[in-house]
Amino acid sequence: DVKVTQSSRYLVKRTGEKVFLECVQDMDHENMFWYRQDPGLGLRLIYFSYDVKMKEKGDIPEGYSVSREKKERFSLILESASTNQTSMYLCASSSPGADTEAFFGQGTRLTVV
Amino acid sequence: AQSVTQPDIHITVSEGASLELRCNYSYGATPYLFWYVQSPGQGLQLLLKYFSGDTLVQGIKGFEAEFKRSQSSFNLRKPSVHWSDAAEYFCAVGGRDYKLSFGAGTTVTVRA
Repeated sequence: DVKVTQSSRYLVKRTGEKVFLECVQDMDHENMFWYRQDPGLGLRLIYFSYDVKMKEKGDIPEGYSVSREKKERFSLILESASTNQTSMYLCASSSPGADTEAFFGQGTRLTVV
Repeated sequence: AQSVTQPDIHITVSEGASLELRCNYSYGATPYLFWYVQSPGQGLQLLLKYFSGDTLVQGIKGFEAEFKRSQSSFNLRKPSVHWSDAAEYFCAVGGRDYKLSFGAGTTVTVRA
């Protein structure tokens, strides 16, 4: 069974903290993605990576960075968390090809207080 | 730029009734179109996809969708809804750069 695993389901962090969200996939996929999901806005792409050490900005990269040192792991970093980054974060992976299915993790609900 | 509009924020349907969820997209080239479902507390699961060929595509759980290029639409349908279909549904459009753009989602409530 294919799997995308996000390290935490729920996180509570303080304003100004550095936050790491981890995602691991076991499908040997080249592509990995980070989205945030907010009510009424759907999913918005933060960053994606199509290979190890490669990354590209999505639609809302401000305030975030990413790291992909190994093919199976893609980390989202909030350098200095702010309350407007309170959201649900979803990681996804896919194999190359625009028509391939993206597999999603269960999400991390981050609250910044 | 690519974008997706799902005009209906919330739909309530009776169990056994038919369901149609609307999706309109904007994309400059041939689009790759997807419908995903998210059950409460879960990640997203692919229902079906379209990228070429027959414009009526069948998916899992008895869903189908029809691609209409002239209307820039990709509406999702199910003839008879089950209580387990209560969820949030997302339409997405992608292209050769692998980026998926999602709509805001439609929440479906199923009443007995």
